[in-house]
Amino acid sequence: QSALTQPASVSGSPGQSITISCTGTSSDVGSYNYVSWYQQHPGKAPKLMIYDVSQRPSGVSNRFSGSKSGNTASLTISGLQAEDEADYYCSSYTTSTTWVFGGGTKLTVL
Amino acid sequence: QVQLQESGPGLVKPSETLSLTCAVSGYSISSGYYWGWIRQPPGKGPEWIGSIYHSGSTYDNPSLKSRVTISVDTSYNQFSLNLRSVTAADTAVYYCARQPGGLHRPFDYWGQGTLVTVSS
Repeated sequence: QSALTQPASVSGSPGQSITISCTGTSSDVGSYNYVSWYQQHPGKAPKLMIYDVSQRPSGVSNRFSGSKSGNTASLTISGLQAEDEADYYCSSYTTSTTWVFGGGTKLTVL
Repeated sequence: QVQLQESGPGLVKPSETLSLTCAVSGYSISSGYYWGWIRQPPGKGPEWIGSIYHSGSTYDNPSLKSRVTISVDTSYNQFSLNLRSVTAADTAVYYCARQPGGLHRPFDYWGQGTLVTVSS
């Protein structure tokens, strides 16, 4: 099972919006609406930000939103804040009853 | 509040077995849900190792070539990971996490992670 493909880095200024893409295949992202996004600050455990493509866990800001089209999922962060600077990982459940993660995207807030 | 805590040796020799335990508090494993292990090599993305249901049913990553055993001990409210025949490529931060519901559910609570280095 190959890792999902994410851009290595994205950047934006405070207040702007950014979008991170996550490309998989018809065996993972394209098969189910079981795509999740995690935020990870240096030295910390990943934190669930989006699940089931577009659902936010309790306590996660509504500045974070998710979507999917075909084999590609996307995470959008609006109204960028300094605290959003982190690594972001997507993950998807697969038709092989496994989980696959992306390689990660480093978000820099300029 | 649900909390998970990994424990185990931080250094394992090549060809030996890596053994970790995840202690869960704030939720009874025997009540249900899946419980997973995920690892993250330095500077890389996470990799799912496998998950176990409270009844003991397990699923693991085929890429680990059957080196994985995951078990659950509901008496102690913990679950464990054994990874056999380790090499330097198994050096990573190992996390345990909860999946609220079926195997297809996301990982909503994570442990802080423990670094395991494979070296002689």
